[in-house]
Amino acid sequence: KAGVTQTPRYLIKTRGQQVTLSCSPISGHRSVSWYQQTPGQGLQFLFEYFSETQRNKGNFPGRFSGRQFSNSRSEMNVSTLELGDSALYLCASSLERVTEAFFGQGTRLTVV
Amino acid sequence: GQNIDQPTEMTATEGAIVQINCTYQTSGFNGLFWYQQHAGEAPTFLSYNVLDGLEEKGRFSSFLSRSKGYSYLLLKELQMKDSASYLCAVGSSGSARQLTFGSGTQLTVLP
Repeated sequence: KAGVTQTPRYLIKTRGQQVTLSCSPISGHRSVSWYQQTPGQGLQFLFEYFSETQRNKGNFPGRFSGRQFSNSRSEMNVSTLELGDSALYLCASSLERVTEAFFGQGTRLTVV
Repeated sequence: GQNIDQPTEMTATEGAIVQINCTYQTSGFNGLFWYQQHAGEAPTFLSYNVLDGLEEKGRFSSFLSRSKGYSYLLLKELQMKDSASYLCAVGSSGSARQLTFGSGTQLTVLP
């Protein structure tokens, strides 16, 4: 069974630009969560989608948004990039009634 | 609010036993998770406790006391490959999947 796939793995963007990251969950998993990981703040929850609906959102500005498609694939978008958005963005998928979340390899975003 | 504390760094010797502690104060609770993360890699699931007590899985065991807001991860027969960051996380209550993570404990296993 394939794991969680995130694309791209690495990305370099300029301040002010916008970026879209993609996540394909494990087959059969309908819950997709996004996390930001930085050396200073650690792993922080961004949002969670289930059956194309956002169920929960972390404490991030509105520049961070996401969506989920009918095949459970998810995208997150960051607009008007700031230097502080440089981070590893991790996607995790899980089954509805199973507790552990499985993480993808992440997208490392660098904003210059 | 959510507050999860764990030591920043620990060092142990190959073959030894190490215990990584985690204390938490959260507004909701739906289980305590432990993840392992090697540098440059994704976190991988190690264990999950929702009831008080000890869960054993091979060389790894995890303990939870909900009344004390306390958990620990016990690693036995340490191997060099166990050098990694160990992340304690609390699951949110309700149907949504949200994990609140501690800052992680960087474990270094020495020969």
